[in-house]
Amino acid sequence: AQRVTQPEKLLSVFKGAPVELKCNYSYSGSPELFWYVQYSRQRLQLLLRHISRESIKGFTADLNKGETSFHLKKPFAQEEDSAMYYCALSGLEDSNYQLIWGAGTKLIIKP
Amino acid sequence: DADVTQTPRNRITKTGKRIMLECSQTKGHDRMYWYRQDPGLGLRLIYYSFDVKDINKGEISDGYSVSRQAQAKFSLSLESAIPNQTALYFCATSDLAAGEGNEQFFGPGTRLTVL
Repeated sequence: AQRVTQPEKLLSVFKGAPVELKCNYSYSGSPELFWYVQYSRQRLQLLLRHISRESIKGFTADLNKGETSFHLKKPFAQEEDSAMYYCALSGLEDSNYQLIWGAGTKLIIKP
Repeated sequence: DADVTQTPRNRITKTGKRIMLECSQTKGHDRMYWYRQDPGLGLRLIYYSFDVKDINKGEISDGYSVSRQAQAKFSLSLESAIPNQTALYFCATSDLAAGEGNEQFFGPGTRLTVL
């Protein structure tokens, strides 16, 4: 079964500290992974996707097929990074292209 | 970004009432989705539509129905609202053909409370 697991509901770190939001997935085919972010009073939006291999707002995420993980990392957290983060998976073999969502991790950056 | 709009933004209703949530988009996307968001559960797909003539049930469609009136409009109805349908509801769109991959674009959400 397709599943996305974000083991931390809440993650609190100090400004300037490294951040790692964990995401593990279960999928039998070739997945496409995404991180979406929801800032306070803003709509949910795409942060990055593994296919693009880009860094957005200092965040990176590497797809590790061996560990079935797609952890989101940032070396130095900023207060404006405080938000709700969702990991999502879409199967490339599934023409329906539905997104399977993790439960989300609330990131709080303390000053 | 007003490309995906939802009305109403907030609604309080009573058990047994029929409620309609509306979603409109100006992005020209064929695919539209309705999700509900509950604390600790993330987003769960209710219904999705790939074009005006194509409607599909999602993970949690019981108690809900949808109507795709046009490419730009996708409405969600609660036939007889119950308290456990209290949640934040999101509409989203995507257009695979445009080369944007699977990125979904979200509306601002509708907060529904069923008393």
